[in-house]
Amino acid sequence: DQQVKQNSPSLSVQEGRISILNCDYTNSMFDYFLWYKKYPAEGPTFLISISSIKDKNEDGRFTVFLNKSAKHLSLHIVPSQPGDSAVYFCAASVSKTSYDKVIFGPGTSLSVIP
Amino acid sequence: DAGITQSPRHKVTETGTPVTLRCHQTENHRYMYWYRQDPGHGLRLIHYSYGVKDTDKGEVSDGYSVSRSKTEDFLLTLESATSSQTSVYFCAILAGQGNTNYGYTFGSGTRLTVV
Repeated sequence: DQQVKQNSPSLSVQEGRISILNCDYTNSMFDYFLWYKKYPAEGPTFLISISSIKDKNEDGRFTVFLNKSAKHLSLHIVPSQPGDSAVYFCAASVSKTSYDKVIFGPGTSLSVIP
Repeated sequence: DAGITQSPRHKVTETGTPVTLRCHQTENHRYMYWYRQDPGHGLRLIHYSYGVKDTDKGEVSDGYSVSRSKTEDFLLTLESATSSQTSVYFCAILAGQGNTNYGYTFGSGTRLTVV
């Protein structure tokens, strides 16, 4: 059973609007969460992360929200740009400081339409 | 750039043949990982290494073996390739800095096709 779920395989958004990508997890031991972005024929790249002691982390156009009680996190991209079109992976770890392996979700393919 | 190089970038091989994929890093990172990416599954861990000659299994390790004889090289071997192992394989290192875990840095991937 998947511990990290991204129930929307794809999402289309108009340029300039907000993109919201959702992620749910089942393991209550997860306390560090990450988002990765992947372009075709490239490896995933780290985008933004959040620790369980926070409920929001912002980096430029990207904001991640964490709702621990619901075991849910979301990535907001405002405003969306065509260059944001990529596959976005949600990931979770049981620790921020130790070198535990990270569990990835199946990904959401975002298309930003000009 | 974390200096991760995967080789080959593309490979087509026949069922039943052994295949070795190479991951090379230049920054002396202790932890290295092999993942495979498949539609609907995202990235799944095959094997990882926490030091020279120290390796452990991941979620989907059956049919794969690894070796790490030097810090900089982590090899993934498909002992007898099957069509189910057709996938894109990513090597990663853990780019943590002190107490801040920045997560993984990935190589560019190897696209393997087993025919």
